[in-house]
Amino acid sequence: EAQVTQNPRYLITVTGKKLTVTCSQNMNHEYMSWYRQDPGLGLRQIYYSMNVEVTDKGDVPEGYKVSRKEKRNFPLILESPSPNQTSLYFCASSLDGAGYNEQFFGPGTRLTVL
Amino acid sequence: AQKITQTQPGMFVQEKEAVTLDCTYDTSDPSYGLFWYKQPSSGEMIFLIYQGSYDQQNATEGRYSLNFQKARKSANLVISASQLGDSAMYFCAMRERSFKAAGNKLTFGGGTRVLVKP
Repeated sequence: EAQVTQNPRYLITVTGKKLTVTCSQNMNHEYMSWYRQDPGLGLRQIYYSMNVEVTDKGDVPEGYKVSRKEKRNFPLILESPSPNQTSLYFCASSLDGAGYNEQFFGPGTRLTVL
Repeated sequence: AQKITQTQPGMFVQEKEAVTLDCTYDTSDPSYGLFWYKQPSSGEMIFLIYQGSYDQQNATEGRYSLNFQKARKSANLVISASQLGDSAMYFCAMRERSFKAAGNKLTFGGGTRVLVKP
């Protein structure tokens, strides 16, 4: 089944404790992206990757890191989480970053930082 | 200015009736794409429908149709014959061509919560 998976689905952590949210897709998509969703603001892009080893900042990159060592994986790293990073996070992928291809979203990761 | 505006934070609709969700957008690009996503209470994002700026006809997908009025910069979603399972948050999103260098970024509106009453 074609899908985007994220782990963990739920995470409660404390300020300053490094964490990684994994994202994997099995559709051989070149483009992958991370979004955060906050009430009233919709989804906002954090980072994206056009292909392996090619990543760039989105609209709200502060406090986050990403890497793209393999085509299928695009982990999101919070080196020192803070309470304002409490949010619902989505990973998405699409065939490429050039057209109007549909983006497939993962199931979401609900993160709470105390 | 907000690029995507959804002015209805929430609305009720009677089962089997049609409902229109408003979406206006702001762009100076001649080429762009408009998307609607559904987010049920379980949280996943479900793609519903797409409209390209150069498409001559309004997009339709089953019970979903997009009322695209380019001059007014609006892309309203119409759900016909509402079902209880349509209760969800609905997001309008846009991709502009000028963001080609920035990848396939979607800019989202704040969403509209729909509750279908039996």
